[in-house]
Amino acid sequence: AQSVTQLDSHVSVSEGTPVLLRCNYSSSYSPSLFWYVQHPNKGLQLLLKYTSAATLVKGINGFEAEFKKSETSFHLTKPSAHMSDAAEYFCVVSDRRNTDKLIFGTGTRLQVFP
Amino acid sequence: DTGVSQNPRHKITKRGQNVTFRCDPISEHNRLYWYRQTLGQGPEFLTYFQNEAQLEKSRLLSDRFSAERPKGSFSTLEIQRTEQGDSAMYLCASSLAGGLAGAMSTFFGPGTRLTVL
Repeated sequence: AQSVTQLDSHVSVSEGTPVLLRCNYSSSYSPSLFWYVQHPNKGLQLLLKYTSAATLVKGINGFEAEFKKSETSFHLTKPSAHMSDAAEYFCVVSDRRNTDKLIFGTGTRLQVFP
Repeated sequence: DTGVSQNPRHKITKRGQNVTFRCDPISEHNRLYWYRQTLGQGPEFLTYFQNEAQLEKSRLLSDRFSAERPKGSFSTLEIQRTEQGDSAMYLCASSLAGGLAGAMSTFFGPGTRLTVL
């Protein structure tokens, strides 16, 4: 079965410093992987998606993620954090038989300090 | 607003009462999903519809839960005899099956937060 593991439940950074949110996946096939962001009292928003094309995926708001098959990882990065980046981030893998059905990690809460 | 909408946004109920939530998907979307998110966890799949047919139900969906999508448009999720463990955020999402972007076309609503006292 497909699954994702988010290695950090909380990450704190200072504004202007790099962000790294870590995710490992488990899948017996080439997966579709996503990062979603959830701001308080707002719906889930797709940041970026990997579907076996380019291994480095660029998303919205300056985020990007790199698919590394050898490490079964799909870490999310951003060169410079902004205060508005503070939110909950979810690493997600799609179900093999139904690619619209999403399997979420437990989330990483990102705090950004001024 | 052409996004996914959910009503009510918040619901507080007493244990043992029945509650019903509504989801209005994006109008041209033929798939509709329900997820449940408890505090500190990621959303978990509950069930999904393609048009009016309910095609899959999670083991998380006990007999007290029922979902419908009678005309292939809006959907309702009913919980009977609520328990404190049902307290969670209930999320609805919609997508267009067969769309070129696949799950890129999955959009989430803002959720209904249920509190069972």
